Amino acid sequence: DADVTQTPRNRITKTGKRIMLECSQTKGHDRMYWYRQDPGLGLRLIYYSFDVKDINKGEISDGYSVSRQAQAKFSLSLESAIPNQTALYFCATSDGLAGGRVETQYFGPGTRLLVL
Amino acid sequence: AQSVTQPDIHITVSEGASLELRCNYSYGATPYLFWYVQSPGQGLQLLLKYFSGDTLVQGIKGFEAEFKRSQSSFNLRKPSVHWSDAAEYFCAVGAVFGNEKLTFGTGTRLTIIP
Repeated sequence: DADVTQTPRNRITKTGKRIMLECSQTKGHDRMYWYRQDPGLGLRLIYYSFDVKDINKGEISDGYSVSRQAQAKFSLSLESAIPNQTALYFCATSDGLAGGRVETQYFGPGTRLLVL
Repeated sequence: AQSVTQPDIHITVSEGASLELRCNYSYGATPYLFWYVQSPGQGLQLLLKYFSGDTLVQGIKGFEAEFKRSQSSFNLRKPSVHWSDAAEYFCAVGAVFGNEKLTFGTGTRLTIIP
């Protein structure tokens, strides 16, 4: 089984609709992240959470919200979807800099979202 | 603020040829650096990472990267590419202390021709 799972894998929605993307992990990591990927722009950070009670905005948080329901679950919501939110969305987890090791992020398979 | 530049948007190489993908970073202190690969329809997979020590880092799938502080570069290399290496490659930089978020480059798409 995959360590980081995302649901749904593909979604088509209409402008103005509320949509939630879900991420679950079995790696036991405290840190979780949401990114969006657009062609030619690489990955941009939307929100991140260092533990259940710690949620932070990334560089492009406008129009998005998140919920950290548990250590293993981190959901991304689009309150009122618009076409320029059409993108590939990735969830990632990491174990931080524990013990002086380099923090490494592990990615889910992505959710492809189309907003009409 | 940290940043990453991948100057090559798209590279085409012949199967069996050598490969070098360029990555330049900007960060005021000691960075940690990553290369990820994204195969078509897949998520990102970590190829290798650098934090300290030997500046030549070995990764999975026969890839290596060399950290050159004087050039602010972390180029990815492979001596002989395989058709399965066709993918998009992302370089990323993170801070060692404090704000440990990663900043990604815009990616380089690699095409392999027979």
